[in-house]
Amino acid sequence: DSGVTQTPKHLITATGQRVTLRCSPRSGDLSVYWYQQSLDQGLQFLIQYYNGEERAKGNILERFSAQQFPDLHSELNLSSLELGDSALYFCASSVGGQNIQYFGAGTRLSVL
Amino acid sequence: GQSLEQPSEVTAVEGAIVQINCTYQTSGFYGLSWYQQHDGGAPTFLSYNGLDGLEETGRFSSFLSRSDSYGYLLLQELQMKDSASYFCAVSSSSNTGKLIFGQGTTLQVKP
Repeated sequence: DSGVTQTPKHLITATGQRVTLRCSPRSGDLSVYWYQQSLDQGLQFLIQYYNGEERAKGNILERFSAQQFPDLHSELNLSSLELGDSALYFCASSVGGQNIQYFGAGTRLSVL
Repeated sequence: GQSLEQPSEVTAVEGAIVQINCTYQTSGFYGLSWYQQHDGGAPTFLSYNGLDGLEETGRFSSFLSRSDSYGYLLLQELQMKDSASYFCAVSSSSNTGKLIFGQGTTLQVKP
């Protein structure tokens, strides 16, 4: 158990819908990262927050947004969902911008 | 552009040694990490190289040559439980933890 908690584990929804994925980092970790893993794209970095502030951005679609709250948990919002958004979404955390990242178990999103 | 190249599949027998190579081409480079992922599971950190040379952690070792933009993960005394996907990942900046991952190498350990 990495200490990073992601909910829900599975999510099935329809095209055009909006969903929210939640992540609680390890106790004491200030950085939260979001990654998308699909079969054809591998693990893709989406966004990083550090202590409530956006720190780095990857190729995150405009339909996707994220935030980190004062208690350091983070949410990833995906809207106007398309079939191609079906993937595993991982959250990871680290103490700072360190290279050791601890990954949650992921949320498997299926868009039908 | 940014790219990391690693073999897609490797097969080895129990007790053997296997090396998984990773070459990278990125706009910035701060260090190279390795992660293990069992089927359907979460990636877990294995090793990190910020400087040239070899880092050893139990049965796993990792090597980096910054001048060659190359690294490898060495797994010794292979066990069946080592069957998994292995990803190299580049940290391109010291200011963020953003990781750029390779496509992963699937290791199959046979008895």
